[in-house]
Amino acid sequence: DQQVKQNSPSLSVQEGRISILNCDYTNSMFDYFLWYKKYPAEGPTFLISISSIKDKNEDGRFTVFLNKSAKHLSLHIVPSQPGDSAVYFCAAKFGSSNTGKLIFGQGTTLQVKP
Amino acid sequence: DSGVTQTPKHLITATGQRVTLRCSPRSGDLSVYWYQQSLDQGLQFLIQYYNGEERAKGNILERFSAQQFPDLHSELNLSSLELGDSALYFCASSVSPGGNQPQHFGDGTRLSIL
Repeated sequence: DQQVKQNSPSLSVQEGRISILNCDYTNSMFDYFLWYKKYPAEGPTFLISISSIKDKNEDGRFTVFLNKSAKHLSLHIVPSQPGDSAVYFCAAKFGSSNTGKLIFGQGTTLQVKP
Repeated sequence: DSGVTQTPKHLITATGQRVTLRCSPRSGDLSVYWYQQSLDQGLQFLIQYYNGEERAKGNILERFSAQQFPDLHSELNLSSLELGDSALYFCASSVSPGGNQPQHFGDGTRLSIL
């Protein structure tokens, strides 16, 4: 049972444009969401997170939006740069629990073309 | 550099063998997590330790075991290895065992079973 889904395996955008990566989840008990970026031969790098009490969180070029009613979150990258080309994973956890288990989506490969 | 160190980077062994993967968490982090990433799979949570004690378990096989030592480093032991155990194994760490905080990942150990 895939509780966190990234339905687009890949995305290609032009440098300078907006990249929008999407993620859906099924468990309404999730209350903390994270995005990670992963380059080949490296581990996932934390990008940005959002608690379920918010609907938006911004950090520089990265903004995460959360729509709890739709059980959907998205990551916006503006403007996109070639160095953003990587695999992006969304992850969810039960933030109020005393364990840190993260449930990951399958990932979306972003290619930013110069 | 996330501050999480994993050794070795690559491991090649045969079916039926036993291996040990090692992880040193970021300075100050008390909780350690192990994840498995198989081909075409997202990251799957295996197990979590906090300050030396097991805190949460995922779909970890009985052939796999882990522990966290007093100096907070952790080891993941994989025994009676099968071809299907070939995967990337990531370690992550965080300050506390739960709550709204990101986990920081190492660069992983690539295990190849021949």
